[in-house]
Amino acid sequence: EAGVTQFPSHSVIEKGQTVTLRCDPISGHDNLYWYRRVMGKEIKFLLHFVKESKQDESGMPNNRFLAERTGGTYSTLKVQPAELEDSGVYFCASSQEAGRREQYFGPGTRLTVT
Amino acid sequence: GQSLEQPSEVTAVEGAIVQINCTYQTSGFYGLSWYQQHDGGAPTFLSYNALDGLEETGRFSSFLSRSDSYGYLLLQELQMKDSASYFCAVRDRQTGANNLFFGTGTRLTVIP
Repeated sequence: EAGVTQFPSHSVIEKGQTVTLRCDPISGHDNLYWYRRVMGKEIKFLLHFVKESKQDESGMPNNRFLAERTGGTYSTLKVQPAELEDSGVYFCASSQEAGRREQYFGPGTRLTVT
Repeated sequence: GQSLEQPSEVTAVEGAIVQINCTYQTSGFYGLSWYQQHDGGAPTFLSYNALDGLEETGRFSSFLSRSDSYGYLLLQELQMKDSASYFCAVRDRQTGANNLFFGTGTRLTVIP
């Protein structure tokens, strides 16, 4: 069974540009989560999808961040326009059912905004 | 609000035992999870405690005391490959049953 995959693994963009991150969850997992770790700090929750619906987006920092999950399969997270403080590692995780104790994480996308 | 405290770094010798502590402040606590992350890799689930006591999985054990808002991860027979960052994470009424609130992580270095 393939794990959670994320693309790209690294992205370096200039301030003001747009970047789109992609996450492919484990097949059959309805629940998809986005998290972010800014340098040396904790891993912070961004949002949670159940299938194609946003269940909780309370962690999204501002309206420069847009997440979608069309068709309830893969998800994208777009940052537009990117700011310096958006730099960090963006993780995606999935789980079969909401509330399951284990979430399966992808390797993350390291975003650097210069 | 929520807060989690864990040591930033721990060093231990191969073959030894190490304990990584985690104290938390939260409201409506549901459970405490532990994740391992090697450099550049994905956080990997290790254990989950919802009730007081010790959960053992091979060389790793996790303990929870709800009354003390405290838990720890115990790693026995340390191996070099155990060098990684270890995160505790809570589920509580604020995060909801689904999402995780993470600590800042403990970087474990295993030395020969």
